[in-house]
Amino acid sequence: AQTVTQSQPEMSVQEAETVTLSCTYDTSESDYYLFWYKQPPSRQMILVIRQEAYKQQNATENRFSVNFQKAAKSFSLKISDSQLGDAAMYFCAYRSPSSGSARQLTFGSGTQLTVLP
Amino acid sequence: DAGITQSPRHKVTETGTPVTLRCHQTENHRYMYWYRQDPGHGLRLIHYSYGVKDTDKGEVSDGYSVSRSKTEDFLLTLESATSSQTSVYFCAISGRMAGGPAETQYFGPGTRLLVL
Repeated sequence: AQTVTQSQPEMSVQEAETVTLSCTYDTSESDYYLFWYKQPPSRQMILVIRQEAYKQQNATENRFSVNFQKAAKSFSLKISDSQLGDAAMYFCAYRSPSSGSARQLTFGSGTQLTVLP
Repeated sequence: DAGITQSPRHKVTETGTPVTLRCHQTENHRYMYWYRQDPGHGLRLIHYSYGVKDTDKGEVSDGYSVSRSKTEDFLLTLESATSSQTSVYFCAISGRMAGGPAETQYFGPGTRLLVL
């Protein structure tokens, strides 16, 4: 079974600075999807960014980018120019593309990000 | 997302009573999921559905049942609620929404359940 590990339960960053959240995963598959979701105090789960394992290029969405290291099974999220609205719990998630699977997501335990004014 | 709603949003119940949570989607997606969220665990899959009347168990299915009689509705039932089922429950659908990427799960707003 796949596992996803987020080793940083809490992190903080100064407004306008850059922060990197870590995620590692364990899988024997060669093709899969990885995601970062954001959960603000409202509890809504919001997709931040996703990466297909077969793509070597790291995904980017505005101030959010990933560092995908397939061999190391590492998928970190970099937030540039941090804003107060970025404060939230961030979850890393893995999804197998296998047709026989539920297409379910396996989540890490989350990293609580605080943005300091 | 407006395409996924959950009801009720909050519920307090007593141990031993049955509880049903409803997930409704307007996106006509085939796959629907129920997760629970607990501190230190992230989200864990309870059950999922891959079509009308087609459901299967997830990682933490004990004490839960589901039904899907229509594409748009996916019901989660706690037959006899226990305090260990106090949690936040999320419904999700898998597919493309509002021009976003395919093969992505989108979540409802969540239901906070307290079992006394």
